[in-house]
Amino acid sequence: GIQVEQSPPDLILQEGANSTLRCNFSDSVNNLQWFHQNPWGQLINLFYIPSGTKQNGRLSATTVATERYSLLYISSSQTTDSGVYFCAVEMLQGAQKLVFGQGTRLTINP
Amino acid sequence: NAGVTQTPKFRVLKTGQSMTLLCAQDMNHEYMYWYRQDPGMGLRLIHYSVGEGTTAKGEVPDGYNVSRLKKQNFLLGLESAAPSQTSVYFCASKRASPQEQFFGPGTRLTVL
Repeated sequence: GIQVEQSPPDLILQEGANSTLRCNFSDSVNNLQWFHQNPWGQLINLFYIPSGTKQNGRLSATTVATERYSLLYISSSQTTDSGVYFCAVEMLQGAQKLVFGQGTRLTINP
Repeated sequence: NAGVTQTPKFRVLKTGQSMTLLCAQDMNHEYMYWYRQDPGMGLRLIHYSVGEGTTAKGEVPDGYNVSRLKKQNFLLGLESAAPSQTSVYFCASKRASPQEQFFGPGTRLTVL
C-alpha cells in the first residue's frame, strides 16, 4: 500500500521562529490533508490541498503532486501551535480513504 | 450545526465486555469512517461506509463490527473487548465527491 512519511519526527522551537514540515508519499493521490492534533487530542483540519499552494494566516501549505510531496509552513510560531501535525493522503482507488503519516511533534517554547 | 459528534467521550471496559461507540453527523455526508489512534502513531482505518446500509473493512478490522442503518449514524461495536483495543477512536465523515474529511472529538477507550 501507499507509504506516507513525515519529517522531522520532532521539532522544538522558540516562540517567533518559522518552521517547515514535510510529507512524502509513495504513489499518486487524489487528495492530501494537513491536520493539527492539539494537546487535548482534537484533530483540526488545516488544509485540503491536493495540489498547489494555500495560505491561512500564519500557515501555508504547498503540494507538488507530480513529485509526491507536500510542505506545511508555520511562520512566527506561537505556543498554541504546539501539538502533532499529521499529513494524510487519499488514494486514487477505493472509497476515498485517508492514509496517515506518523506525524511531526512540534513544541513551541515561550 | 454540530458537525461530527461521538458518544461516549471516555470508557473503561474489562476484558470480554462488549460496547458500542456512536458516531453522528449532521452534514448529510455520504461517507463515514472509523479510525483508531495508538500512542505515538497516526490514525489507522478500522471500517468505513460509503452510504446508508453499506459497510466495508479497512486496514485493522479484526475484533470490530459496524453498522450504518441511518445515513447520519455510524456505530462501532466491540463484541469481546481485549486490552489490545485500548486506543483513541475517531469517527470521520465526508461528501462522496473529492473533499476533505471532518473528524469527531474522539473516544478514549481503556480495556483492563
